[in-house]
Amino acid sequence: AQKVTQAQTEISVVEKEDVTLDCVYETRDTTYYLFWYKQPPSGELVFLIRRNSFDEQNEISGRYSWNFQKSTSSFNFTITASQVVDSAVYFCARPLRGTASKLTFGTGTRLQVTL
Amino acid sequence: EAGVTQFPSHSVIEKGQTVTLRCDPISGHDNLYWYRRVMGKEIKFLLHFVKESKQDESGMPNNRFLAERTGGTYSTLKVQPAELEDSGVYFCASSPGAAYNEQFFGPGTRLTVL
Repeated sequence: AQKVTQAQTEISVVEKEDVTLDCVYETRDTTYYLFWYKQPPSGELVFLIRRNSFDEQNEISGRYSWNFQKSTSSFNFTITASQVVDSAVYFCARPLRGTASKLTFGTGTRLQVTL
Repeated sequence: EAGVTQFPSHSVIEKGQTVTLRCDPISGHDNLYWYRRVMGKEIKFLLHFVKESKQDESGMPNNRFLAERTGGTYSTLKVQPAELEDSGVYFCASSPGAAYNEQFFGPGTRLTVL
């Protein structure tokens, strides 16, 4: 099976620190998509980003940035100047091989941002 | 625009009982998905509807689970009879198109089987 691995189970940082959440994926495909979702305390999964394997440019959205490295099969997520509202569980995901929409998720990284 | 809603938010039942979970997708979304997260494990795909048809139910654990999507609108997931290992959080998601589109998730139903 094509796994998505989030090795960091839990991370604690103090507000205003930068933090990087790691995601490593397995693939035998040349074309694939990767996703990040955020699960705040309210429970729903909130979509953050979708990345096509053809596009290796890093993406920045406000305090959020993503570093996509095909050579190491990684799609890491950095929050700059973290805030308490960033506290959540973050999931990396990709569609299972041969499917367009059947997502397989990592086990998630719980981020705790304190004052 | 209303998001994906799920009912109930929590359900506690005894082993052997029946439980029905409901999902209302975003209006107009043809694609509806069910996922499950068992405690401490990753979120796993259960099945995928396109309108009222089951597109892929390869993730359904066994025949104690039955999913329906009446008229291509809301969906139900019934567990009968429930077992202890069915405990977890059941997520529903919807999307307007299937291929690699963003899936919008609901808040999940936390099911506890005692």
